[in-house]
Amino acid sequence: KNEVEQSPQNLTAQEGEFITINCSYSVGISALHWLQQHPGGGIVSLFMLSSGKKKHGRLIATINIQEKHSSLHITASHPRDSAVYICALLLDTDKLIFGTGTRLQVFP
Amino acid sequence: NAGVTQTPKFQVLKTGQSMTLQCAQDMNHEYMSWYRQDPGMGLRLIHYSVGAGITDQGEVPNGYNVSRSTTEDFPLRLLSAAPSQTSVYFCASSRYAHLYGYTFGSGTRLTVV
Repeated sequence: KNEVEQSPQNLTAQEGEFITINCSYSVGISALHWLQQHPGGGIVSLFMLSSGKKKHGRLIATINIQEKHSSLHITASHPRDSAVYICALLLDTDKLIFGTGTRLQVFP
Repeated sequence: NAGVTQTPKFQVLKTGQSMTLQCAQDMNHEYMSWYRQDPGMGLRLIHYSVGAGITDQGEVPNGYNVSRSTTEDFPLRLLSAAPSQTSVYFCASSRYAHLYGYTFGSGTRLTVV
């Protein structure tokens, strides 16, 4: 049962490139989290959104509830953006269902 | 505010040993939960609590116990550690999650030998 699918699984980029990570899901949700996890590190919530678009610095997250799809964009990528990005679905029960993550490496 | 505090950060256990992973939050969050993270898989829910005195099982509860005697603390107990429990464990908490989302701890890396 893959209720949430992320693509790509792995992504490499040169510094400065525009990055897109996709998340598709098949269940009804209350909201969607985009999370960041640096190697050996904890999990940080970047965005939580239930409609439209949110922007924070070089990060942009969008969601289309009708199409059950969300994207995370990183503009002007930097080596410090290298991390695993995880899409997590927030259900009406307040439970989370996690994607398997996208491993991003940005090279100088 | 310290947020969600997990201890220890690293632990090595021998098969059959028991231990408790600690999780504390100072944000007055009602909802607390434990997850394990294994390579190639998304985080999976072990146990969760919607308030003091109330706990319930998640997706992978076998081999783990929890209790919630206070709003702040939600310890996870491994009763008899097995190599299959080698994983990274995360605690998370929330209040009105659909409005404010979740806060995660920094994780505990557990190795069972």
